[in-house]
Amino acid sequence: ETGVTQSPTHLIKTRGQQVTLRCSSQSGHNTVSWYQQALGQGPQFIFQYYREEENGRGNFPPRFSGLQFPNYSSELNVNALELDDSALYLCASSMRGQGAEEQYFGPGTRLTVT
Amino acid sequence: RKEVEQDPGPFNVPEGATVAFNCTYSNSASQSFFWYRQDCRKEPKLLMSVYSSGNEDGRFTAQLNRASQYISLLIRDSKLSDSATYLCVVNIPEDNNNDMRFGAGTRLTVKP
Repeated sequence: ETGVTQSPTHLIKTRGQQVTLRCSSQSGHNTVSWYQQALGQGPQFIFQYYREEENGRGNFPPRFSGLQFPNYSSELNVNALELDDSALYLCASSMRGQGAEEQYFGPGTRLTVT
Repeated sequence: RKEVEQDPGPFNVPEGATVAFNCTYSNSASQSFFWYRQDCRKEPKLLMSVYSSGNEDGRFTAQLNRASQYISLLIRDSKLSDSATYLCVVNIPEDNNNDMRFGAGTRLTVKP
């Protein structure tokens, strides 16, 4: 196991609602990246947090926001949920400053928007 | 052109076969390359990093071709347990960021 944990495992929300997903990084890692994976597709990069600041963002609207805490854990917040937000949300932790920055994934949160 | 492209497959091979996947990337400044495997409804798991000189881990060999901007993964003596989706990952260096981009994945099924 990677030591990366995510909660909740599954979530069902209604269109227009807001959701918060949580991620605890692997011990010793200082960077958390969030991805959205729709069925049959590869993970799409949402953003990355390093030193409690957003440090890179993919092609996602501002209603996708995040936080990183001093213990390096992180939250992903999505406002005004849309049906297309239904996906597996993955967080990955890594250690910036150590070469190739291998990322280790948590088990994901499966979000269904109805 | 997509940042990272893979042949989606599926590749259906018998046990014991050798199979190879390729992945092309568009950013010539990319420096970090990885292969992940993902089982159905599970998270991606790191299979191996890809180094400039190429690297091998048991039955798995990864190669990097910077001139043509592609990486490859070779699996020898395929096992049933190798059945999974294989994801290619490339970093996109912009400013001080080191964002990673995933390909859509190549699906492999190894049959008895």
